[in-house]
Amino acid sequence: QSVLTQPPSASGTPGQRVTISCSGSTSNIGGNTVNWYQQLPGTAPKLLIHSSNQRPSGVPDRFSGSKSGTSASLAISGLQPDDETDYYCATWDDSLFGWVFGGGTKLTVL
Amino acid sequence: EVQLVQSGAEVKKPGESLQISCKGFGYTFTTHWIGWVRQMPGKGLEWMGIIYPDDSDIKYSPSFQGQVTISADKSLGTVYLQWSSLKASDTAMYYCARHVSNSYGRTLDPWGQGTLVTVSP
Repeated sequence: QSVLTQPPSASGTPGQRVTISCSGSTSNIGGNTVNWYQQLPGTAPKLLIHSSNQRPSGVPDRFSGSKSGTSASLAISGLQPDDETDYYCATWDDSLFGWVFGGGTKLTVL
Repeated sequence: EVQLVQSGAEVKKPGESLQISCKGFGYTFTTHWIGWVRQMPGKGLEWMGIIYPDDSDIKYSPSFQGQVTISADKSLGTVYLQWSSLKASDTAMYYCARHVSNSYGRTLDPWGQGTLVTVSP
């Protein structure tokens, strides 16, 4: 059971916009920024969004993040077949004094 | 380029000991915490613990406290994850990642390429 709650799956058609949610509590998302990671099969997680809504250089602006209260969201617009993979949210937990992750969302591009 | 490079895949038997490593390149190794993350086959990411290489201050996840040992050798720019007696349930991919903390918040980036540990009789 992950500390952060994500839907196990999401789907969309090419060109569509999809959002993935991440729900936490006051000790984690409520008091800290959120990171989103994309994990392609057989590879390490890659940082997609940091500081809740900032894209590292090289990440397309089709990816965006937001945070409100104890929840966060990742939005992917102009969906492409290559976007079909797993996505994880992560943040620091002040009570645990450590990192907490969502269970991951498998995105399918129909 | 900031990079974390991990040691290669391991195949071990239950009860054996193991140490895997994570070496930092392209930044001042002693100034950032390094965390370890487990990913069991087909499952999600689990935080195991974090170490500050300069003074080896360590914080373990309660789920992994007593199950593994995290250490660092700052002269070698390397952190380690160690098991004294492996179990089949330790079979997983293990990642190290640099913990970055600034005015924007906290981030785990970059990640090592991962070390696959297989424990089988």
